[in-house]
Amino acid sequence: DSGVTQTPKHLITATGQRVTLRCSPRSGDLSVYWYQQSLDQGLQFLIQYYNGEERAKGNILERFSAQQFPDLHSELNLSSLELGDSALYFCASSPGQGIASYNSPLHFGNGTRLTVT
Amino acid sequence: SQQGEEDPQALSIQEGENATMNCSYKTSINNLQWYRQNSGRGLVHLILIRSNEREKHSGRLRVTLDTSKKSSSLLITASRAADTASYFCATVSNTGNQFYFGTGTSLTVIP
Repeated sequence: DSGVTQTPKHLITATGQRVTLRCSPRSGDLSVYWYQQSLDQGLQFLIQYYNGEERAKGNILERFSAQQFPDLHSELNLSSLELGDSALYFCASSPGQGIASYNSPLHFGNGTRLTVT
Repeated sequence: SQQGEEDPQALSIQEGENATMNCSYKTSINNLQWYRQNSGRGLVHLILIRSNEREKHSGRLRVTLDTSKKSSSLLITASRAADTASYFCATVSNTGNQFYFGTGTSLTVIP
């Protein structure tokens, strides 16, 4: 058990809808990372938060947004969903950021499987 | 893209054989990490090698790093059926903020 909790495990929704994915990081970890994993794109880095602030942005679409709350849990909001957004969405956490995280591995949740129909 | 690439994409071996998978990347790194993913599950960290290290061992795992060639290899010795999984390399940027994962090698160990 990595200590990272993601909910829900599965989500089925229709095109054009909006969903929210939730992540609780491992106890004591301040950094949260979001990744999208699809069959044809591999594991794509979306965004990183550290202690409530956005610190790094990857290939995140404008239709997607995220935030990290004072209790350190994070939410990824996906709107105007398209069929191509169907994927596994992973959250990962680490203790710090920058130099403090250099030699710290990421701890992954088991993901949310999103199916857009 | 800073994303690494693993090679081969898929590997099938008999139990007891060794499995070698390679990772190539494009930019300077602080360290390189290998992760394992069982089907439909989250990634699990296996081993980390720093940019000033050339080789590292952990149990049946041996990792090498060649920064001049921007490549790394993961060797799993005496493979077991339970090693069946996908294996990913991840490069960590010098800012430490971004972990870029490769495309993965799917390993099947036949009992």
